[in-house]
Amino acid sequence: DTAVSQTPKYLVTQMGNDKSIKCEQNLGHDTMYWYKQDSKKFLKIMFSYNNKELIINETVPNRFSPKSPDKAHLNLHINSLELGDSAVYFCASSQGSGSLFFGEGSRLTVL
Amino acid sequence: GEDVEQSLFLSVREGDSSVINCTYTDSSSTYLYWYKQEPGAGLQLLTYIFSNMDMKQDQRLTVLLNKKDKHLSLRIADTQTGDSAIYFCAERIIGAGNNRKLIWGLGTSLAVNP
Repeated sequence: DTAVSQTPKYLVTQMGNDKSIKCEQNLGHDTMYWYKQDSKKFLKIMFSYNNKELIINETVPNRFSPKSPDKAHLNLHINSLELGDSAVYFCASSQGSGSLFFGEGSRLTVL
Repeated sequence: GEDVEQSLFLSVREGDSSVINCTYTDSSSTYLYWYKQEPGAGLQLLTYIFSNMDMKQDQRLTVLLNKKDKHLSLRIADTQTGDSAIYFCAERIIGAGNNRKLIWGLGTSLAVNP
């Protein structure tokens, strides 16, 4: 059983399109995150949700909108995709401020 | 400030020990972590150390923490080709508003040569 699963694993799309990445965790954790990893492998937090409430919202364009329908899910919707959005997006979860468990990543390529 | 620094690359020979270093600036750290990322995969928690400890050993891994110098290291004994990966150091701090946040290093890419 995969602990943190994200779909899709790969996403190739045109500039200007809108796309979503879904994340689910079956660990019973109360906190979920979205991270962006660029081509140099640098990891940056984008959002953090605790019990479905947004607690961290780093400097991310408002084209990115996270949605947490319940504690086990945190989806990421991106509007008007730009070339610079190409990256690997990682979902993660934790119990409070404990250790993070990461998904396998979703590689987004914007053409 | 909140900053975690690591050297970006390390190359070792198979069978040697690897030492990956990390320095941090925030003194409010509670836990410090090492994560491993293999090519094309997500990050996996390797080990962590509580900030009031100075050493933790787990099989081939030894974590050393020098709180005075704000220096953390990960030693991998008998390094194998399967250890080739990016290793991220992360510090859990207490930020503004009593918010616990994780500050990440940029990752050290370890190459193990046969």
